[in-house]
Amino acid sequence: EIVLTQSPGTLSLSPGETATLSCRASQDVSSSYLAWYQQKAGQAPRLLLYGASSRATGIPDRFSGSGSGTDFTLTISRLEPEDFAVYYCHQYRTSPQTFGQGTKVEIK
Amino acid sequence: QVQHVQSGAEVKQPGASVNVSCQASGYTFTSYAVHWVRQAPGQRLEWMGWISIANDKRKYSDKFQGRLTMTRDISARTVYMELSSLRSEDTAVYYCARGGGGLWGWGQGTRVTVSS
Repeated sequence: EIVLTQSPGTLSLSPGETATLSCRASQDVSSSYLAWYQQKAGQAPRLLLYGASSRATGIPDRFSGSGSGTDFTLTISRLEPEDFAVYYCHQYRTSPQTFGQGTKVEIK
Repeated sequence: QVQHVQSGAEVKQPGASVNVSCQASGYTFTSYAVHWVRQAPGQRLEWMGWISIANDKRKYSDKFQGRLTMTRDISARTVYMELSSLRSEDTAVYYCARGGGGLWGWGQGTRVTVSS
């Protein structure tokens, strides 16, 4: 099973700042099989990026992703108030598919 | 847009089974697989498996082998997830979503509580 480890656990930032979130995999997941989700309290996750860097429908361009192999990054530029949430990475290269433990982006 | 609407919350006794439904809209239902993911309190998201709508093929996580069954009704655009022999550790919110490069259009979640 591929283990995904996200860092940091919590990121405290102000609106307008840039958030940089990391996801590290225990094995190569390629760049084609890594996704990122946003989850707000009491809501279902929402797909942000797939294939490491392709934005899902309706996702603003302040969300961007990069990486390949075992190291991936989600960058949120110019944080908006609605961006404060928990973010998860997800690998779908091998079964069982797995998720990271999440990074909480909170208002400083 | 891709959407899924799930059935309502359930409370079950240990040893019982639960059946959760997931109705899809906004895409060609037979062109994709539908996945199930659960989230226990304070835990990370946990992938359970998928069912291919077109050919009824299924892939389950080994963790749930023998207890998990996914079925689909093409005419109703609905997928069902049945988990049997429930135990307290199965208390979680269960989600369905469409596959195809990441998981799209998550349902609102169905809270399943296992308690005596």
